[in-house]
Amino acid sequence: DAGVIQSPRHEVTEMGQEVTLRCKPISGHDYLFWYRQTMMRGLELLIYFNNNVPIDDSGMPEDRFSAKMPNASFSTLKIQPSEPRDSAVYFCASRDEEVDGNTIYFGEGSWLTVV
Amino acid sequence: EDQVTQSPEALRLQEGESSSLNCSYTVSGLRGLFWYRQDPGKGPEFLFTLYSAGEEKEKERLKATLTKKESFLHITAPKPEDSATYLCASGYALNFGKGTSLLVTP
Repeated sequence: DAGVIQSPRHEVTEMGQEVTLRCKPISGHDYLFWYRQTMMRGLELLIYFNNNVPIDDSGMPEDRFSAKMPNASFSTLKIQPSEPRDSAVYFCASRDEEVDGNTIYFGEGSWLTVV
Repeated sequence: EDQVTQSPEALRLQEGESSSLNCSYTVSGLRGLFWYRQDPGKGPEFLFTLYSAGEEKEKERLKATLTKKESFLHITAPKPEDSATYLCASGYALNFGKGTSLLVTP
């Protein structure tokens, strides 16, 4: 399997612009997670889905952030409007709870810089 | 709330100098204690899962152990290629510590 695939790998955008990050989970995985990583705060869970349904979005920092999972093989994380403090690495991860329990597998991340 | 605290924040070792990384956790209903390795510019890579106190797992020069309140990642005779950030996590949706940045010098 190709693993979790994220795009874009790098994005530089201006403050106020809309940013959309994309994720393709590992085929057959029933959970999908979005994390954000910064030097100050480490790796933080933003939201996770089970069978395409959002289960916990308490980590989403504010209404500017939204996430969707229209089908089992695709998810998006959208920031609108973006702000410089949103600059971070955004990771998508997935798991197959029946096979791997709580073990999750990460993509390579999307590096976002908002100027 | 599940909490995970790692120490030290950074560790510098000489090649061959063994040491341990610590992960303290407070979790209600532990569903596994996880160790990941993260290289610069990459996503975290799964290493181990431990489920019960006394459990140990090994992989090459790494051995993870678990007690009721802590986990240790022991690194025996490290090599420069072991340099990375090591993350531990617990909880249903994996609550991560801030990691230990390990540098092994030749």
